[in-house]
Amino acid sequence: GAVVSQHPSWVICKSGTSVKIECRSLDFQATTMFWYRQFPKQSLMLMATSNEGSKATYEQGVEKDKFLINHASLTLSTLTVTSAHPEDSSFYICSARVSEEHNTEAFFGQGTRLTVV
Amino acid sequence: GENVEQHPSTLSVQEGDSAVIKCTYSDSASNYFPWYKQELGKRPQLIIDIRSNVGEKKDQRIAVTLNKTAKHFSLHITETQPEDSAVYFCAASIKPGGSYIPTFGRGTSLIVHP
Repeated sequence: GAVVSQHPSWVICKSGTSVKIECRSLDFQATTMFWYRQFPKQSLMLMATSNEGSKATYEQGVEKDKFLINHASLTLSTLTVTSAHPEDSSFYICSARVSEEHNTEAFFGQGTRLTVV
Repeated sequence: GENVEQHPSTLSVQEGDSAVIKCTYSDSASNYFPWYKQELGKRPQLIIDIRSNVGEKKDQRIAVTLNKTAKHFSLHITETQPEDSAVYFCAASIKPGGSYIPTFGRGTSLIVHP
């Protein structure tokens, strides 16, 4: 299957600093990528839809100024958690679909465990 | 938007038993229903999917059924094994206007006791 690589796998940062998470599609081009947040023992909560070359579409309740998303190329989307606080600690996962024309499987990155201390 | 309900939240079975996880969805326009398995700390992996033009699909010990009229679909795992223990997510995928966006259920933690 298609490969989506996410980096870093885990990060610990101090409160008030910013953290950037990268999501790359390694063997296909992804015009759209999705960013999710997952709390322990809970489901995948869609944060935003990242569109190549345009602004991301954020879900209701997600602060766009806090979670900056950039989709600069067809293979890379980044999520920057700005001025991180302990409540931002979570598991962040991206996903991408090979084709936007058809309703098909989404491939997930391995996730990033963010801990804000 | 789409709303997906998943039950049960936790399912404990003995090795060799069958396990059934059920999901309902709200938007009749959804036409693709994948099931993902997520092991602790790892990424979700697709295990089976079904489209709205079929009612059942089977892959070895795993099967999925879809009732479009009732808007519910189920995952069936037969002859469960300890390695089946994981969190399973159902999803319903719809294209509200732009990209196809999957909405996930809350997940079912399946525990298979040896």
